[in-house]
Amino acid sequence: DAKTTQPTSMDCAEGRAANLPCNHSTISGNEYVYWYRQIHSQGPQYIIHGLKNNETNEMASLIITEDRKSSTLILPHATLRDTAVYYCIVRVNYGQNFVFGPGTRLSVLP
Amino acid sequence: DGGITQSPKYLFRKEGQNVTLSCEQNLNHDAMYWYRQDPGQGLRLIYYSQIVNDFQKGDIAEGYSVSREKKESFPLTVTSAQKNPTAFYLCASSMIDSYNYGYTFGSGTRLTVV
Repeated sequence: DAKTTQPTSMDCAEGRAANLPCNHSTISGNEYVYWYRQIHSQGPQYIIHGLKNNETNEMASLIITEDRKSSTLILPHATLRDTAVYYCIVRVNYGQNFVFGPGTRLSVLP
Repeated sequence: DGGITQSPKYLFRKEGQNVTLSCEQNLNHDAMYWYRQDPGQGLRLIYYSQIVNDFQKGDIAEGYSVSREKKESFPLTVTSAQKNPTAFYLCASSMIDSYNYGYTFGSGTRLTVV
């Protein structure tokens, strides 16, 4: 079973920030939070990952709460090309595999 | 450029036939994976391999077979025993010696049984 809970779908206006939440209340101390996205009929694409601290790269920012039980992926200026399914994944154990749940379907609207 | 290549992009199979999906990577990654995705669903793990000549079953291995004769290649055979093979198949690879390594995915093969 997936270790995370995400909303099924979200809408965001083009040019605005998209904030995608994820709950992972059972995360253990040495597990990372990963975010991937999948544009229709393509393979998932890595976005960002983090352990405790907030992280930022050229694609997005990841905000992890202090208790690590939830996180938010932020796309600062969403474009139509950001329309995709976004997966929040907690790495189960070292050497174990990623478990992809149904994710959040983000629709960026013009 | 390094990457992971799946072929073909689209594949049609008659019922009762076996079919093999190709997956090749030049990233020097140790591990390779096969996932299946049905419409509107997440990804389900079929098989994975962390080293040449060794592989393990994932959550839905029945009706599938794999081989790992070379580090770069991890072909998946969909056998006639797979009851509902029509799906989108994704191959991925990763290093395994660090928490920090994520997966690199191929662009997928869409298999349709006709």
